[in-house]
Amino acid sequence: QNVVTQEPSFSVSPGGTVTLTCGLSSGSVSFKNYPSWYRQTPGQAPRTLIYTTSTRSSGVPDRFSGSILGNKAALTITGAQADDDSEYYCLLYMGRGTYVFGPGTKVTVL
Amino acid sequence: QVQLVQSGAEVKKPGASVTVSCKASGFTFTNYFFHWVRQAPGQGLEWMGQINPTGYGTIYAQKFQGRVTMTKDTSTSTVYMELSSLTSEDMAIYFCARDSNYYAPDVWGQGTLVTVSS
Repeated sequence: QNVVTQEPSFSVSPGGTVTLTCGLSSGSVSFKNYPSWYRQTPGQAPRTLIYTTSTRSSGVPDRFSGSILGNKAALTITGAQADDDSEYYCLLYMGRGTYVFGPGTKVTVL
Repeated sequence: QVQLVQSGAEVKKPGASVTVSCKASGFTFTNYFFHWVRQAPGQGLEWMGQINPTGYGTIYAQKFQGRVTMTKDTSTSTVYMELSSLTSEDMAIYFCARDSNYYAPDVWGQGTLVTVSS
């Protein structure tokens, strides 16, 4: 079974840039996986940031961008702010109507 | 406004079933698929399945097949998720989410805590 991979954690300074990735244990992530990204703070529902690789969801600031980097999907935060301190999840479409979340990346802004 | 409102917290005994509801408002219910996602305490998000409100299409993650049933009531714009044979491993917050029509949830319910305890 194909497993989705994400970095466990990242630290970034305020104003800095960080790139999170989302891969597959077997094979490459492509636009056909329709990668999407979500941010979640403790006790809250997830918030959708990016869908179909690089489209920002309504109201999401343009410091968040999505792409394919090599064989992985990527989420880049440019000009990190204190409230970007959160858990970030990717979601991949695996075909036949099924999806799998990655394990999440904890981003610390300090 | 566009929103999904879920039913309240549940406490169930092991072996029982639980049904969580998710009422949609502010948009045309039949134009969207709906996902169910859960999150165990201190753990990540887990996709459970999705339902097509216009027909009988449901797709479940392999892990939950045989134990989960997703249904809808178009007259009340509500989707339901029933999970049976509960164990302590099913203790989690359960979220419904509207699909954006672009292979991703875009609107989320507030979550429903399900506790399994004897």
